Amino acid sequence: AQTVTQSQPEMSVQEAETVTLSCTYDTSENNYYLFWYKQPPSRQMILVIRQEAYKQQNATENRFSVNFQKAAKSFSLKISDSQLGDTAMYFCAFMKLQPSYGQNFVFGPGTRLSVLP
Amino acid sequence: ETGVTQSPTHLIKTRGQQVTLRCSSQSGHNTVSWYQQALGQGPQFIFQYYREEENGRGNFPPRFSGLQFPNYSSELNVNALELDDSALYLCASSLRIGGVSYNEQFFGPGTRLTVL
Repeated sequence: AQTVTQSQPEMSVQEAETVTLSCTYDTSENNYYLFWYKQPPSRQMILVIRQEAYKQQNATENRFSVNFQKAAKSFSLKISDSQLGDTAMYFCAFMKLQPSYGQNFVFGPGTRLSVLP
Repeated sequence: ETGVTQSPTHLIKTRGQQVTLRCSSQSGHNTVSWYQQALGQGPQFIFQYYREEENGRGNFPPRFSGLQFPNYSSELNVNALELDDSALYLCASSLRIGGVSYNEQFFGPGTRLTVL
């Protein structure tokens, strides 16, 4: 079974500064996806960024980038130039590339990020 | 392209009642998953449906059941509601091709269930 751990229940950052959210995971799979999802108070779960495990290059999406360390099973999210609209719960998630019967998509417990003016 | 939709948005029930939540998957997606999210916590996997068959189940009792229809929409049914069933219920759809997950899960806005 896969597990996803986020060791920072809450974090805060000043507007315009940079913050890094941590995520580690455990799996015996070799092919998988990793994601960061954002859930603002409006509760809609929104994809922030995705990383395919077979790609060595770290994914980037505008102000969001990841540091993917496959051997260490680490997948951190860096948010640059933080904006007030980045305030939300952030969930790290794992998905098998080749799903089988059972849970193929696993969320971490989440990190609540507050961006302060 | 239509996103994932869920109905109703909010629902209030009393203990012991039964409830049905509905989800329409994103156009072209053939896999639907359901999650329960208690306040302040991460989503917990209930079950997944692929091509109208249950493809996995989390640690939820049998009173949580589901269906997937030929158009890939889905229902979550909960019988004998308990107070602890109060939560946000999220539906997510994705595409599986030839035994391989093609993309991430796309989430609906959720149904907020309150059990009194």
